[in-house]
Amino acid sequence: GAVVSQHPSRVICKSGTSVKIECRSLDFQATTMFWYRQFPKQSLMLMATSNEGSKATYEQGVEKDKFLINHASLTLSTLTVTSAHPEDSSFYICSVDGQVRDTQYFGPGTRLTVL
Amino acid sequence: DAKTTQPNSMESNEEEPVHLPCNHSTISGTDYIHWYRQLPSQGPEYVIHGLTSNVNNRMASLAIAEDRKSSTLILHRATLRDAAVYYCIPQERGATNKLIFGTGTLLAVQP
Repeated sequence: GAVVSQHPSRVICKSGTSVKIECRSLDFQATTMFWYRQFPKQSLMLMATSNEGSKATYEQGVEKDKFLINHASLTLSTLTVTSAHPEDSSFYICSVDGQVRDTQYFGPGTRLTVL
Repeated sequence: DAKTTQPNSMESNEEEPVHLPCNHSTISGTDYIHWYRQLPSQGPEYVIHGLTSNVNNRMASLAIAEDRKSSTLILHRATLRDAAVYYCIPQERGATNKLIFGTGTLLAVQP
């Protein structure tokens, strides 16, 4: 299957700063990537669908101006959490749409802690 | 999106088979049934998926009820590394193959 990496794996930042998380598809050209958020002891929540070369599609209740998604190439999507606050502390996970293979390949996740 | 019902948790002994059930009574005729699992502090990983027929791969088997309103993931010989949260997800094939995760089943494997 596809190999997906995320960077950084862990980040701690101060309230009010912005944080960028990268998601890379290392061996698969990904037209579509997905971004999820997971709070402790909870399931994954889909935030947005990231499409290469076009605007992301956000799920209901997700602020597009706060969670900026850029998918400028077939191997890289970025999620920027702008003006982060403690309530944004979470585990952020990206995935690559395997399309023909009917599966998604997930990254290892990024643990964000906002102080 | 079809809703799913899974047990919150299950326990198994190492080397024994495990049957993880999932009810998806509102599934549509074109939804595939996907199973993913998530080990602690990791991203989910694909396990198996099917539409109508039972499916086997090197990780597991998937038994799908004839009416497709339920399915069972079968791990033939559980190992300690199989301890994870298992998610059953009906997925509508289409322009966006997004996955909507439910609460899943936390599987504990005892040595």
